[in-house]
Amino acid sequence: DVKVTQSSRYLVKRTGEKVFLECVQDMDHENMFWYRQDPGLGLRLIYFSYDVKMKEKGDIPEGYSVSREKKERFSLILESASTNQTSMYLCASIGAGGPNEQFFGPGTRLTVL
Amino acid sequence: AQRVTQPEKLLSVFKGAPVELKCNYSYSGSPELFWYVQYSRQRLQLLLRHISRESIKGFTADLNKGETSFHLKKPFAQEEDSAMYYCALSGRDTGTASKLTFGTGTRLQVTL
Repeated sequence: DVKVTQSSRYLVKRTGEKVFLECVQDMDHENMFWYRQDPGLGLRLIYFSYDVKMKEKGDIPEGYSVSREKKERFSLILESASTNQTSMYLCASIGAGGPNEQFFGPGTRLTVL
Repeated sequence: AQRVTQPEKLLSVFKGAPVELKCNYSYSGSPELFWYVQYSRQRLQLLLRHISRESIKGFTADLNKGETSFHLKKPFAQEEDSAMYYCALSGRDTGTASKLTFGTGTRLQVTL
């Protein structure tokens, strides 16, 4: 059974704090993604990675960075959290070789006060 | 640039009524289209993809390249179909073929 796990289901942080969101997949997938999900806006891609130490900006990378030191782990970093980063964050992974099913984690609901 | 449009934020139907969730896309190359579904308190999961031409949970979707549409249909709605539905596109002929562009989603509400 495929598994994408995220470190926290709920997280509350204060403005200006540095925030780490962790995602781990056990499917040996090359590609990993971070999205944010907001009502009325759908899923928007923040960053993705197609290999270890490789990363590419998505549609809304401002205010975020990522780290992929190991194939199974993809971290999203908010260097200085702001209230407009309050959202649901979803991690996903997919194997190499073209369009196929992306597997999603359960999501982390981040609230920035 | 690729874009996916889902014009309805909310679609409310009675149980047993037909369902059609609309999806239109914009993409200059050869697209791959998907429908993802998120039930209450569950993670987002794939419902179906156009290349499979399959019916999942009674849902079907046909890619219409002339109208650039990929509408999701079901002849008779069930209560358990109530969920958030997202249409997504992958640009097969780009360098990042696994990357998806999602629409804004349509919440389907099936009432008795």
